[in-house]
Amino acid sequence: AQSVTQLDSHVSVSEGTPVLLRCNYSSSYSPSLFWYVQHPNKGLQLLLKYTSAATLVKGINGFEAEFKKSETSFHLTKPSAHMSDAAEYFCVVSDPDTGFQKLVFGTGTRLLVSP
Amino acid sequence: DTEVTQTPKHLVMGMTNKKSLKCEQHMGHRAMYWYKQKAKKPPELMFVYSYEKLSINESVPSRFSPECPNSSLLNLHLHALQPEDSALYLCASSHGSGLRDQPQHFGDGTRLSIL
Repeated sequence: AQSVTQLDSHVSVSEGTPVLLRCNYSSSYSPSLFWYVQHPNKGLQLLLKYTSAATLVKGINGFEAEFKKSETSFHLTKPSAHMSDAAEYFCVVSDPDTGFQKLVFGTGTRLLVSP
Repeated sequence: DTEVTQTPKHLVMGMTNKKSLKCEQHMGHRAMYWYKQKAKKPPELMFVYSYEKLSINESVPSRFSPECPNSSLLNLHLHALQPEDSALYLCASSHGSGLRDQPQHFGDGTRLSIL
């Protein structure tokens, strides 16, 4: 069975400082991994996805993630946090099936950004 | 703006009421999903439709009844709900190929409150 573990339930940063949100995965085969962001009272928005092409994946809003097979990690980073980045972030692995996919969610990391 | 549209945005209903949640997408996706999300938790899968056929029912109580009238529309009919059913209900869609790298696109959800 596939799973993801988000190592921090909360991360607090100051505006303009780097962001690091940690995610480890467990998969019996080459995984497809996603990061989604959820702002208050909104749905989930796709930030980026890893699909076995480049190991460094660039996403929207300046976020990127690096797939490290040896460490079974897929950490999300951003060089400089903005106040608008404050939200809940989910690391997700895809469990495919015929005609659809099942997503396995991490427990989420709440990012707090202070002025 | 999200490409998956959910209505209504908010719904308050009594335990004896009957109501429906609606979801619409025009991206040509052939897989559609209903999720339930409680506060500070990741989304939990309820139902999956693939090519307008119900593919997954995650042991959801019968007071929730899904319907997929066509490839663009997904409904969730509600009847005799309980207070613990209060949550954010999210709809999502994805390409119908089942490929691992195809992300799901989420709507902004319906915030449901049961009195």
